[in-house]
Amino acid sequence: LAKTTQPISMDSYEGQEVNITCSHNNIATNDYITWYQQFPSQGPRFIIQGYKTKVTNEVASLFIPADRKSSTLSLPRVSLSDTAVYYCLVGDVWAGSYQLTFGKGTKLSVIP
Amino acid sequence: DSGVTQTPKHLITATGQRVTLRCSPRSGDLSVYWYQQSLDQGLQFLIQYYNGEERAKGNILERFSAQQFPDLHSELNLSSLELGDSALYFCASSERGEQETQYFGPGTRLLVL
Repeated sequence: LAKTTQPISMDSYEGQEVNITCSHNNIATNDYITWYQQFPSQGPRFIIQGYKTKVTNEVASLFIPADRKSSTLSLPRVSLSDTAVYYCLVGDVWAGSYQLTFGKGTKLSVIP
Repeated sequence: DSGVTQTPKHLITATGQRVTLRCSPRSGDLSVYWYQQSLDQGLQFLIQYYNGEERAKGNILERFSAQQFPDLHSELNLSSLELGDSALYFCASSERGEQETQYFGPGTRLLVL
């Protein structure tokens, strides 16, 4: 079973750009990479999704290199409300069956 | 509000018992996913159903089972409960399949004593 690896935690000051990287080996050719945000006692919430190169929406950017074995979520000018756990999600083919693999999450703490 | 509902919000039971968690997906969504979140294991994918059929399976224990009904709601059955099954159980839904945005429900917090 392929693993995804993210830093366990990160600290950042308000107003700074934060980059969180997820490593994912054995990503399937057709799989997308999706990032979710989770606040305590709430379900995860979709942030951004991409397949390759760069994707940008109103809240974040996603950078994916050509080999697609990693992805970087970029949050511009973070605020205190961005304090949360961030997960990357990739599909994975293991033993012939399709599975979904979440990373263990990165706890981002934004400091005033 | 994601549009996904889960009941009950909290559940306290004893070891060896059986419980059923219920999930209603967003209107129009055909896929339902179940996840388990515990402190030491993070967010673990359990199983996915699409339009009533099992579509993908994660590390779901044999003591656990799920189904999706014709009205598309889903139930997760947990039996012979152990202390280690205490966790948050999330349901998510999407329009069709795996590559789409998943909308998560508020979760059911299960405590096994």
